[in-house]
Amino acid sequence: EDQVTQSPEALRLQEGESSSLNCSYTVSGLRGLFWYRQDPGKGPEFLFTLYSAGEEKEKERLKATLTKKESFLHITAPKPEDSATYLCAVQAGSGNTPLVFGKGTRLSVIA
Amino acid sequence: NAGVTQTPKFRVLKTGQSMTLLCAQDMNHEYMYWYRQDPGMGLRLIHYSVGEGTTAKGEVPDGYNVSRLKKQNFLLGLESAAPSQTSVYFCASARIQGGYGYTFGSGTRLTVV
Repeated sequence: EDQVTQSPEALRLQEGESSSLNCSYTVSGLRGLFWYRQDPGKGPEFLFTLYSAGEEKEKERLKATLTKKESFLHITAPKPEDSATYLCAVQAGSGNTPLVFGKGTRLSVIA
Repeated sequence: NAGVTQTPKFRVLKTGQSMTLLCAQDMNHEYMYWYRQDPGMGLRLIHYSVGEGTTAKGEVPDGYNVSRLKKQNFLLGLESAAPSQTSVYFCASARIQGGYGYTFGSGTRLTVV
């Protein structure tokens, strides 16, 4: 069974204090690993897709990396507007296989 | 471009009542999904569809039915609502070509009393 575990459950940072969120996964044949951002009362918003170990993607203050067992979402010099829940998901096997999501990390950035 | 639109946004049902949640997408996506999101449980897949006229069960399908009569619409039905179905429901759609992620709607908050 495909599994995704995110840690920590919640993270509180001061503005400018860089940190990383972790997503560890167990999947038979990784097709892709996805990161989403979810603001309160809204649907998840797509951030990145990673396909193979060693791959990195960047967007503004966010950088996602992938190894064979886990992915990290690095947040550099965060701002209060980066506060949100960050979700990790994996897709296994064929292109029709639905994503399996982790429970998310709730990030709070304090000014 | 509206993306994915869910109707209604909020609903309160009594135990045993039925209702249908509507999801509409205007991006010509082939794939559509229904997830529920509960505190501490994350997003769990209810049903999904890989094309018009096709549906499949996800992780938590019991108590729900779905239909995809038109490519742009995906309906989620609750035949006899139970308090355990109190949740936030999200619809999502995706292209056949992988890697672009899902586009989610803004959710339907359902309370069953």
